[in-house]
Amino acid sequence: AQSVAQPEDQVNVAEGNPLTVKCTYSVSGNPYLFWYVQYPNRGLQFLLKYITGDNLVKGSYGFEAEFNKSQTSFHLKKPSALVSDSALYFCAVRDFHQAGTALIFGKGTTLSVSS
Amino acid sequence: EADIYQTPRYLVIGTGKKITLECSQTMGHDKMYWYQQDPGMELHLIHYSYGVNSTEKGDLSSESTVSRIRTEHFPLTLESARPSHTSQYLCASSEPGENYGYTFGSGTRLTVV
Repeated sequence: AQSVAQPEDQVNVAEGNPLTVKCTYSVSGNPYLFWYVQYPNRGLQFLLKYITGDNLVKGSYGFEAEFNKSQTSFHLKKPSALVSDSALYFCAVRDFHQAGTALIFGKGTTLSVSS
Repeated sequence: EADIYQTPRYLVIGTGKKITLECSQTMGHDKMYWYQQDPGMELHLIHYSYGVNSTEKGDLSSESTVSRIRTEHFPLTLESARPSHTSQYLCASSEPGENYGYTFGSGTRLTVV
């Protein structure tokens, strides 16, 4: 079965420092990978996706993610964290083996940026 | 700005009541989804639809039902609410093709007392 794993429940970083939120995947075939962010009491917002092409994908709000096929990873990164980046982040993979080809989400990682 | 709307945003209701959570989108998307987000914040697919008159159950078994009579509308119904149904319910839609992600609504936080 297709799956994604987010090994960290929480990531803490100081404002201005670089941040990384980790995601690894397990799929058969080429992965279609996504990152979403969720603010309290809100729905999920799309940040970026990898379908094919350059391994470094740039997205919204200054975020980027690096696709690494050999390590089966798709880590989310930002060079300089802001307090307003504090939120819940989800990695997702499209499951082509499930009818509906729905997105399968990781458990989420809470990012806390301190001032 | 998201073009997918969920109502109500918050709902507190007594056990045994019938409820319908509304989800509407103005983007003309054929694919729509319902996810349940548990207190631990994990997302579980409970229903999806490919288009009008198409509905399927997702991975997580749910006592809820859905309907898709119009493209823009994908309501979720609980015939008899129970405290175990307390959760956040997120509706999403997607453009055709597998390259696209989802657009999510803001969610309905349901509490059954």
